[in-house]
Amino acid sequence: ETGVTQTPRHLVMGMTNKKSLKCEQHLGHNAMYWYKQSAKKPLELMFVYNFKEQTENNSVPSRFSPECPNSSHLFLHLHTLQPEDSALYLCASSQGGGDIYGYTFGSGTRLTVV
Amino acid sequence: ELKVEQNPLFLSMQEGKNYTIYCNYSTTSDRLYWYRQDPGKSLESLFVLLSNGAVKQEGRLMASLDTKARLSTLHITAAVHDLSATYFCAVDPRLNNYGQNFVFGPGTRLSVLP
Repeated sequence: ETGVTQTPRHLVMGMTNKKSLKCEQHLGHNAMYWYKQSAKKPLELMFVYNFKEQTENNSVPSRFSPECPNSSHLFLHLHTLQPEDSALYLCASSQGGGDIYGYTFGSGTRLTVV
Repeated sequence: ELKVEQNPLFLSMQEGKNYTIYCNYSTTSDRLYWYRQDPGKSLESLFVLLSNGAVKQEGRLMASLDTKARLSTLHITAAVHDLSATYFCAVDPRLNNYGQNFVFGPGTRLSVLP
C-alpha cells in the first residue's frame, strides 16, 4: 500500500457520462497532483493543488474538473469525454515546495472512454 | 520550458549484462528523481539525487547526477529478469515554493531476457 489510494482502479464510460475519480492520501502531505499517462506519451501534469488551492492548470480541457476539498482528498470530475481521453490517470502527493523526497503515487485509474 | 529526455527509450538486454540509461534535461536543476513502473502499476520511487555528484545505489541499480552536464545516469549491473520495467527520470525545476511540478522523461522500457 503506497499511502495514496485511488478509486476506482478501472472505469469504462461513455462519452455522455459523468463520473469522478477519487484520490486520498494518508501521508500528511500538503500538495496533490493529477497526471495523465497515455500510451507512447510522457506523463502529463494536469493539475496541482497546494493546501487545497489550485496552483497549476496545465491547459487541461474543461471536460476535466478537479476538486480538492481538503489536503487529503482530490477528485477529478469527468464529463463528455472523448475516446482520446482514455489513459491511466495517476494521483500523487508530496510534502510541498521544500520537500526533498518527491512524489508518492497512487495506483492509478485506468479509464476507457467508449 | 524544461525538457527531459531519456535514452534509450527501449532496451532489451540479457541477464548478467551491464547497461546504462541516460537522462538529459534542458535547464538548471539540482534535484532529480528516478522512478520505476511495472506494467499496469503505479510509479515507485527509486532514487532521489539532490546535488551535483550525488550517487545512490540500491542492489543492482546505481544512479548518479551531474548538474553541470545536466545529466543523470541509471546503471544496471548484472541484470536480472526482475528488473524488467519502465524507468522514468523526473526533474524538479523548483520554479516556486509551491508544490513540486516535476517534468518527467518519456521513460525507458527495459526488458531483461534469460
